[in-house]
Amino acid sequence: QITLKESGHTVVKPSETLTLTCDFSGFSLTTTGVGVGWIRQPPGKALEWLALIYWGDDKRYSPSLKSRLSITKDTSKSQVVLTMTTMEPVDTGTYFCVYSRGQAAGNFDNWGQGTLVTVSS
Amino acid sequence: SSELTQVPSMSVALGQTVRITCRGDSLRSFYASWYQQKPGQAPIFVLYAENNRPSGVPGRFSGSRSGNTASLTITGAQAEDEGDYYCCSRDSSGNHWVFGGGTKLTVL
Repeated sequence: QITLKESGHTVVKPSETLTLTCDFSGFSLTTTGVGVGWIRQPPGKALEWLALIYWGDDKRYSPSLKSRLSITKDTSKSQVVLTMTTMEPVDTGTYFCVYSRGQAAGNFDNWGQGTLVTVSS
Repeated sequence: SSELTQVPSMSVALGQTVRITCRGDSLRSFYASWYQQKPGQAPIFVLYAENNRPSGVPGRFSGSRSGNTASLTITGAQAEDEGDYYCCSRDSSGNHWVFGGGTKLTVL
């Protein structure tokens, strides 16, 4: 059974850096084709893809946010970490960690429950 | 363009059929995937590669693609199908992903 769980800052101040950790189980990020990523959702709004890291350390970032994002993996701990710099109130929302079973398919097969991040002074 | 366009809201009578569409230039090159989200919950993966269902998704969900439009069809809609539906696909570069704006489905 695949599970993903997000943790990290729930409240950040404007201009600060957000760090979120995804702890996963039920798969290995050393398996060919597998990826873990992040998707966010502002309150009442649509989903927005942020970043994805693959088994071979190939990293993909949203073009509009690339300068602010960093995604890393620690396969020994079954963790993926997302950092986002220079946080603003518009970055408030729920951040989901996702599992992608195959690089070619590019689907988001499993989702974590999400963690609400609020940007406020 | 890398945008995916969805109708913001739709309704369907209980037991009837509804088609939710997603339009975008990238859909000419890449398949859409679909996600269902209920209030206060994380999305779940319901359809991929034009007309394939992940394990556990009811057979009343099906998909299709024509030109720049991908569709999710629910045949015999049930009350539990009410929620928001999002399409997703790679952008024109193939290296990033984009979501549609979502369609809120109401089952009457």
